[in-house]
Amino acid sequence: DGGITQSPKYLFRKEGQNVTLSCEQNLNHDAMYWYRQDPGQGLRLIYYSQIVNDFQKGDIAEGYSVSREKKESFPLTVTSAQKNPTAFYLCASSIPGSMNTEAFFGQGTRLTVV
Amino acid sequence: AQSVTQPDIHITVSEGASLELRCNYSYGATPYLFWYVQSPGQGLQLLLKYFSGDTLVQGIKGFEAEFKRSQSSFNLRKPSVHWSDAAEYFCAVGGDTGFQKLVFGTGTRLLVSP
Repeated sequence: DGGITQSPKYLFRKEGQNVTLSCEQNLNHDAMYWYRQDPGQGLRLIYYSQIVNDFQKGDIAEGYSVSREKKESFPLTVTSAQKNPTAFYLCASSIPGSMNTEAFFGQGTRLTVV
Repeated sequence: AQSVTQPDIHITVSEGASLELRCNYSYGATPYLFWYVQSPGQGLQLLLKYFSGDTLVQGIKGFEAEFKRSQSSFNLRKPSVHWSDAAEYFCAVGGDTGFQKLVFGTGTRLLVSP
């Protein structure tokens, strides 16, 4: 079955550590996204990538980094510079510029700083 | 810049009663509009989408939404709510020009009472 796989489902990080969240898709989508979700704030865009080897900052990119070396993969690193990283992180993908464009979402990773 | 407003943070509906969730958007051109549903700790699932044509769109799980350009609204409706509909609902807007990047509202949590 095609879809988006995020791992791990739960992640704990000590303060001052970097941590990487995995996102893999087998939908053959060019575009991929990372959103952060906090209670009462909806989804906020962290980074997005329209194509391999290219990505752009979203609305809240500070303290995060990404790479897009393969079409299928779009890992997100939460660095120690992110002051409040505890949140639910969602990865999504879509076909950019298509009339039937919609975003398909993974099941999310819940990151907790301990 | 596009934006989405979901004015209701929480809504409680009795099982079997009708439901309407409000969504207002701001977008300078032709909007692409979406409703997603999220169960606790899960990713988002697309309920329905509007790109053009008939302003009343049907989705999965018995949901429908009506696009009203004059009111900049895209309200979600269901004639008879089931207990399994309890979840968080997100409205999102994208555009028909350039790269498709969705902007989400802050969500409405639906509670279903017996």
